[in-house]
Amino acid sequence: DAGVTQSPTHLIKTRGQHVTLRCSPISGHKSVSWYQQVLGQGPQFIFQYYEKEERGRGNFPDRFSARQFPNYSSELNVNALLLGDSALYLCASTFTGTGYTFGSGTRLTVV
Amino acid sequence: AQSVTQPDIHITVSEGASLELRCNYSYGATPYLFWYVQSPGQGLQLLLKYFSGDTLVQGIKGFEAEFKRSQSSFNLRKPSVHWSDAAEYFCAHAVDDYKLSFGAGTTVTVRA
Repeated sequence: DAGVTQSPTHLIKTRGQHVTLRCSPISGHKSVSWYQQVLGQGPQFIFQYYEKEERGRGNFPDRFSARQFPNYSSELNVNALLLGDSALYLCASTFTGTGYTFGSGTRLTVV
Repeated sequence: AQSVTQPDIHITVSEGASLELRCNYSYGATPYLFWYVQSPGQGLQLLLKYFSGDTLVQGIKGFEAEFKRSQSSFNLRKPSVHWSDAAEYFCAHAVDDYKLSFGAGTTVTVRA
């Protein structure tokens, strides 16, 4: 079975631009979470979606938004990019009792 | 407020020696606790998890962790470290039933 897949793996954007990151969960997992990991720190929770509904949101500005599709894949959108948005963005899928499985992440660099 | 504390930022250990990484949590009556490992530029790999039951948990790659409620700790151990264990290790705690709160991480360096 494929694990959690994220795309793209790397991208470079300019300040003020918009970016969309994508995630496909493990087959059968209905919950997807997004985390931001700034260099040298632990991951910080951004969103969780379950059955296409937002279950929780971390302490991030409204420039960050997400959605989950009927096939349980998810997109994270960030508008008006700032230099401080440069980070590794991690997606995790989960099924009750199994813990959280993470993808390899998308490395976003804002210049 | 920080719910997971990893007191050691960096640990250096000789190959073949034992390793213990500390983790303290501060939230929740029934903690769901995890240890993840991250190699440079990579995602997080789950080493082990504790939900309930036996307080000594076995994981992958020869790691184990012990949950001690009285000390609010969930320390990770490995009896004999291999060079491939050099990585960053994160302890995490499930909070509010839907999100993980991570510690700041411990970087492990293995010397020959």
